Amino acid sequence: SYVLTQPPSVSVAPGQTARITCGGNNIGSKSVHWYQQKPGQAPVLVVYDDSDRPSGIPERFSGSNSGNTATLTISRVEAGDEADYYCQVWDSSSDHRGVFGGGTKLTVL
Amino acid sequence: QVQLQESGPGLVKPSETLSLTCTVSGGSISSYYWSWIRQPAGKGLEWIGRIYTSGSTNYNPSLKSRVTMSVDTSKNQFSLKLSSVTAADTAVYYCARVRESHAGGMWTYYFDYWGQGTLVTVSS
Repeated sequence: SYVLTQPPSVSVAPGQTARITCGGNNIGSKSVHWYQQKPGQAPVLVVYDDSDRPSGIPERFSGSNSGNTATLTISRVEAGDEADYYCQVWDSSSDHRGVFGGGTKLTVL
Repeated sequence: QVQLQESGPGLVKPSETLSLTCTVSGGSISSYYWSWIRQPAGKGLEWIGRIYTSGSTNYNPSLKSRVTMSVDTSKNQFSLKLSSVTAADTAVYYCARVRESHAGGMWTYYFDYWGQGTLVTVSS
């Protein structure tokens, strides 16, 4: 089965840039989607298809994907960005199934 | 604006069957896939499965033997049944709409609308 690996935590000062990685075997050949989850709330889609943003998501959120690593980049980080972030792909190699990374806790210092 | 709402018992006894329903409002359930996703307390997200409005399903292999999903287009609802539950099935259960995309020449699927989630505890 396909495995996605995320760092458990990332810390960044306000106004700086946060980069959250998602590792997977040849993940660059897949489309990666990212979700933000604040405590007690449902996840919210912030990036889909590697780098597209749903309406209402600030331009500060961007994504890239190449080789074995996908990256969610949050520019000019704000206190309100503190949350858990999950990457997700669709694995069509055998059974069709959704796969999530383990999640990364973003702390704004 | 599409909205999803999970409903069902918050407490299920071990070895019994967990049953949840997701009601979709603000849009038609037709012509989409719909998924269930769960999250144990303090842990990550786990995809359970998806169902198309035709009734076609895909399940997580780790849960496949215990999961059944169904859809009722007349009520704009879809449902989850998880049999033979144990304490390990205690989690917040989310329903979500699945969007498909053909980015980069291959089909991919992601979750654009989510319910608020419902906590299901397995305990005697």
